[in-house]
Amino acid sequence: IAGITQAPTSQILAAGRRMTLRCTQDMRHNAMYWYRQDLGLGLRLIHYSNTAGTTGKGEVPDGYSVSRANTDDFPLTLASAVPSQTSVYFCASSDSPEDTQYFGPGTRLTVL
Amino acid sequence: GQNIDQPTEMTATEGAIVQINCTYQTSGFNGLFWYQQHAGEAPTFLSYNVLDGLEEKGRFSSFLSRSKGYSYLLLKELQMKDSASYLCAYMDSNYQLIWGAGTKLIIKP
Repeated sequence: IAGITQAPTSQILAAGRRMTLRCTQDMRHNAMYWYRQDLGLGLRLIHYSNTAGTTGKGEVPDGYSVSRANTDDFPLTLASAVPSQTSVYFCASSDSPEDTQYFGPGTRLTVL
Repeated sequence: GQNIDQPTEMTATEGAIVQINCTYQTSGFNGLFWYQQHAGEAPTFLSYNVLDGLEEKGRFSSFLSRSKGYSYLLLKELQMKDSASYLCAYMDSNYQLIWGAGTKLIIKP
């Protein structure tokens, strides 16, 4: 099935633990994105990648890192989770940076 | 804060028409997007405007005025399944999307 998958669907994590959220797309899109969505706020861009091998910082990058070793995968790592990182995380992709973005189903993360 | 604004919540009646407004301020603009997001689900793409005017797509239409920094999403013949949040976002000069907080639309029978 074409599209974007994310794993896990949800996770409860102790503060201080390391966590990697996975994102895979099979549309051969060049650009990929990580957003967080919090109540009352718009989606906020964490990191992006315009093409495999490159990454960039978005609006709220602190505490997060990404890598883009190939076209399909774009994992997001929280090196040492803090409660303020409790959020819903969406991965998205687009054919090129100026094209429409398509979203994965999201990961609901709770940091205690 | 974000320089894009839309109402927090709107209520409408099944079968009626509703208009959801979005205003923005930016020096670099590469288009305006509307997405629909049902509770607990991912945003899904509805429409894109880069030139002034109205784009119609079935029951949904989207309008853009670049000089006024204004867009609206028009939903006709409302159905209960249209109950969702509607997100507007403009694409800035770096091709990054700047998102509004979303408008929660409640449809009543």
